[in-house]
Amino acid sequence: KQEVTQIPAALSVPEGENLVLNCSFTDSAIYNLQWFRQDPGKGLTSLLLIQSSQREQTSGRLNASLDKSSGRSTLYIAASQPGDSATYLCAVEGADSWGKLQFGAGTQVVVTP
Amino acid sequence: KAGVTQTPRYLIKTRGQQVTLSCSPISGHRSVSWYQQTPGQGLQFLFEYFSETQRNKGNFPGRFSGRQFSNSRSEMNVSTLELGDSALYLCASSLLGTENTGELFFGEGSRLTVL
Repeated sequence: KQEVTQIPAALSVPEGENLVLNCSFTDSAIYNLQWFRQDPGKGLTSLLLIQSSQREQTSGRLNASLDKSSGRSTLYIAASQPGDSATYLCAVEGADSWGKLQFGAGTQVVVTP
Repeated sequence: KAGVTQTPRYLIKTRGQQVTLSCSPISGHRSVSWYQQTPGQGLQFLFEYFSETQRNKGNFPGRFSGRQFSNSRSEMNVSTLELGDSALYLCASSLLGTENTGELFFGEGSRLTVL
């Protein structure tokens, strides 16, 4: 059974610092891994999707890496801003999952001005 | 391009009632998934539909059901509501539909409170 873990559960950084968020999963047989952002009381916003054959994806200040063999992904957010404050979730889609993403519990990020 | 639309956004029901939630996917997306989010359990997969067929189902009781229409819009129904069904119900759509569903785009959710 796939298990996804995100550490730390919460993180507070001053504005301008780089953010490093970690995600680990137990079963390396995945199709893709996706990072989301969730603001309080809102839905999920897709940030980056990494296919299993890829090592990383970049979008603006965001960079996500994937190491399938070790079951790890890292989301880097450069030069953090107060608007980056949110909960960040990672999710993996397994080999026969069809729409079933296995989510981590998320990392709650606070960026202080 | 419109995103995933869920209605209603908020609703209050009492135990024993039933509820129907609606989801309109992004135009052109044929895969629709449903998730339940609670503080204690996090995000849990309910079911996924593609071309009006349920292809995958999570570990929820039979009180939870869904369907998809020919225009890809989807509904989920919860019968005989229990207090523990209080949650944010999220719908997601995806363009792909083969072995995997690709990037998922979520709606804002329907917040259900059961009294």
